[in-house]
Amino acid sequence: AQSVTQPDIHITVSEGASLELRCNYSYGATPYLFWYVQSPGQGLQLLLKYFSGDTLVQGIKGFEAEFKRSQSSFNLRKPSVHWSDAAEYFCAVAGAMSTLTFGKGTMLLVSP
Amino acid sequence: DTGVSQDPRHKITKRGQNVTFRCDPISEHNRLYWYRQTLGQGPEFLTYFQNEAQLEKSRLLSDRFSAERPKGSFSTLEIQRTEQGDSAMYLCASSLVGYRGQETQYFGPGTRLLVL
Repeated sequence: AQSVTQPDIHITVSEGASLELRCNYSYGATPYLFWYVQSPGQGLQLLLKYFSGDTLVQGIKGFEAEFKRSQSSFNLRKPSVHWSDAAEYFCAVAGAMSTLTFGKGTMLLVSP
Repeated sequence: DTGVSQDPRHKITKRGQNVTFRCDPISEHNRLYWYRQTLGQGPEFLTYFQNEAQLEKSRLLSDRFSAERPKGSFSTLEIQRTEQGDSAMYLCASSLVGYRGQETQYFGPGTRLLVL
């Protein structure tokens, strides 16, 4: 069975600083990987996805993620964080049955 | 923009009552998923449909839970004899299965259930 680990429960970043959120997955075959963002009390918004091909994928709101098979990682990055990026971020992997397995999330706090 | 919609957005009920939630997927999406999210956790899969067929159910889906998707359009999730442990956010997502099974799930705003 697949699993996702997001090692950081909370991260605080100064506005304008760079951001990297870590995600490690466990899955026997080539994974389909996703990052979603959730604002308080809201549903999940898709930031980006990886199916195959170029291991560096671009998403919305200036986010990007890099798939590294050797490290079983799919870390999310943004060069300059804005106060509106404060939210909870979830990494997910799609298994053979297409259902998504999510990590526990990383809460991003942005300080002025 | 016709994204995934869910109704109601919030539900407060007393223990032992039945509740029903509705999800309207993005039109033309053939798959519809239900997830449950408790505080401080990521969403957990409950069940999914392809068109009107329910293809998989999680062990989290006890016999008090039932889901339907008549005619392959909207879906309902019913919880009978609610328990306090059912308090959670119930999320619906829909997708269109593409090439080599690649699909992207788009989520609705969720229904927050509180069982007193």
